[in-house]
Amino acid sequence: DADVTQTPRNRITKTGKRIMLECSQTKGHDRMYWYRQDPGLGLRLIYYSFDVKDINKGEISDGYSVSRQAQAKFSLSLESAIPNQTALYFCATGTGNSNQPQHFGDGTRLSIL
Amino acid sequence: AQSVTQLGSHVSVSEGALVLLRCNYSSSVPPYLFWYVQYPNQGLQLLLKYTSAATLVKGINGFEAEFKKSETSFHLTKPSAHMSDAAEYFCAVSDLRGSNYKLTFGKGTLLTVNP
Repeated sequence: DADVTQTPRNRITKTGKRIMLECSQTKGHDRMYWYRQDPGLGLRLIYYSFDVKDINKGEISDGYSVSRQAQAKFSLSLESAIPNQTALYFCATGTGNSNQPQHFGDGTRLSIL
Repeated sequence: AQSVTQLGSHVSVSEGALVLLRCNYSSSVPPYLFWYVQYPNQGLQLLLKYTSAATLVKGINGFEAEFKKSETSFHLTKPSAHMSDAAEYFCAVSDLRGSNYKLTFGKGTLLTVNP
């Protein structure tokens, strides 16, 4: 089984709909992250959480919200989806040590029509 | 703020040729640096990391990278490309300020390997 699991893997929806992307992990890491990947732009940080009670905005948080339901679960919501939120979304986990890598899920491909 | 520049959004090599993917960073303190690889329809996998122990770092699949402080570079190399190396590669720098550990990624380099 994957250490970092994202659901769904693919989603097509319409403008204005509320979308939730879910992430769960079995690595036991405290820190969880949501990134967005767009062609030619690399990965950009949306939100990150250091523990259940600690949520922080990343560089592109507008239009998104998150919930850390448990140490192992971190969900990303688009309250009212718009077409320019069409992208590949990744969840990642990490330890508290900056010399350690983050571990990524396989991504959710989201298309908003 | 820290930043990463990957020179060349697309690199094409022949099978058996040298692979060189360039990464330059900006940081006010000695950074930790990472190279990740992304195969189609998959997440990012760690190739190798620099954490100040040694300037020449060896990773998986025959890749290595050399940290050069004077050039603020961390280029990724592989002596002989294989078809299976075709993927997108990302360089990332770790933000060391306080305990707010975040990664800043470059925009990626797509590697194509021609037979």
